[in-house]
Amino acid sequence: QQPVQSPQAVILREGEDAVINCSSSKALYSVHWYRQKHGEAPVFLMILLKGGEQKGHEKISASFNEKKQQSSLYLTASQLSYSGTYFCGTEKPEAGSYQLTFGKGTKLSVIP
Amino acid sequence: DGGITQSPKYLFRKEGQNVTLSCEQNLNHDAMYWYRQDPGQGLRLIYYSQIVNDFQKGDIAEGYSVSREKKESFPLTVTSAQKNPTAFYLCASSWTGVGQPQHFGDGTRLSIL
Repeated sequence: QQPVQSPQAVILREGEDAVINCSSSKALYSVHWYRQKHGEAPVFLMILLKGGEQKGHEKISASFNEKKQQSSLYLTASQLSYSGTYFCGTEKPEAGSYQLTFGKGTKLSVIP
Repeated sequence: DGGITQSPKYLFRKEGQNVTLSCEQNLNHDAMYWYRQDPGQGLRLIYYSQIVNDFQKGDIAEGYSVSREKKESFPLTVTSAQKNPTAFYLCASSWTGVGQPQHFGDGTRLSIL
């Protein structure tokens, strides 16, 4: 079942912060986050494994609440280069299967 | 440099034709995947393979076929049975196991003439 991302779209001015949420109705092993610029391949950002661990680098971080089956991606002091569509991919604990199910994406636009 | 190569970048198909999209990786990954991307729909899994000579259907396999004769290659055939093939197709690969990131190719955009 496809995870639900919110918001669907957001517009920020440079330097502003944003939070993108990803929710699943089923138990998860992990949540993956990717960013895709228009017409390009998705680029891996980070993986959150179950355990509530928060990960990140520089000004992009994420958390994973396994009890709520929810992950949030935090973008602080946004830059123009952060523009793109952000996808979460969820990994379920089905034996022998490591496939991801992706959300519909959140389009982030950063303007000067 | 290691990576995933998809070809062609753009492909046009006449109705009733089968077309094959190429995907090659030199990352030595065991698992490979094909996704279809439509505007506003995210990435939907067509087929995946975790080992040579074995593959499984994803969520939208109807009208598509694949083969995995070599570890490096996972071609996707869009058959004439796929009634709405116009989309952006992405190939990815990863190590098997929990929590392995997927690495994507640059995609093939397929259109119907």
